[in-house]
Amino acid sequence: DAKTTQPPSMDCAEGRAANLPCNHSTISGNEYVYWYRQIHSQGPQYIIHGLKNNETNEMASLIITEDRKSSTLILPHATLRDTAVYYCIVKGANTNAGKSTFGDGTTLTVKP
Amino acid sequence: DGGITQSPKYLFRKEGQNVTLSCEQNLNHDAMYWYRQDPGQGLRLIYYSQIVNDFQKGDIAEGYSVSREKKESFPLTVTSAQKNPTAFYLCASSATLTYEQYFGPGTRLTVT
Repeated sequence: DAKTTQPPSMDCAEGRAANLPCNHSTISGNEYVYWYRQIHSQGPQYIIHGLKNNETNEMASLIITEDRKSSTLILPHATLRDTAVYYCIVKGANTNAGKSTFGDGTTLTVKP
Repeated sequence: DGGITQSPKYLFRKEGQNVTLSCEQNLNHDAMYWYRQDPGQGLRLIYYSQIVNDFQKGDIAEGYSVSREKKESFPLTVTSAQKNPTAFYLCASSATLTYEQYFGPGTRLTVT
């Protein structure tokens, strides 16, 4: 699976949009981009995933560039409860599909 | 109420003892995973299982063993061969290897 690069930390004001970037320049055609978040001392929570089209659900939006080498997770109205570590991973339907790599992620701090 | 359960939440052992961590899911998922997380770091894959009676090593399998005799259960044994067993252990499952993962609450193991 392709590796991802994320900034180690970001701040966001409460009520504003949080835009979390992820680079995955070696992504291959059949690999999806997945986002998870982990609130302190809990198990990670699935947020959203996409292949090449932008996706939106009740939690967030995912914007994937046309060349698929990067993506952005958008939390439209961040709250204090969105403070967490956000992980971007890529995962494909190949023999290594089970070996998704969770890097160190981005620590998002939402401030009042 | 479907989900993944890990028990216990906290576990203490003496050095040199083997210890088994429990992971159970009632989501009818075929795939299950074990990750290790050290303070301030991301998740590292220990083992994963695509289906009953089959499992594969992840990135840090040395010193660990697993079994997958039932679809619902994927216990992890931390053996005395694991040099630094103190960590936060997370179990996850997914419908198949290519689907999003759902995580349990984790077990924090301390070995002294």
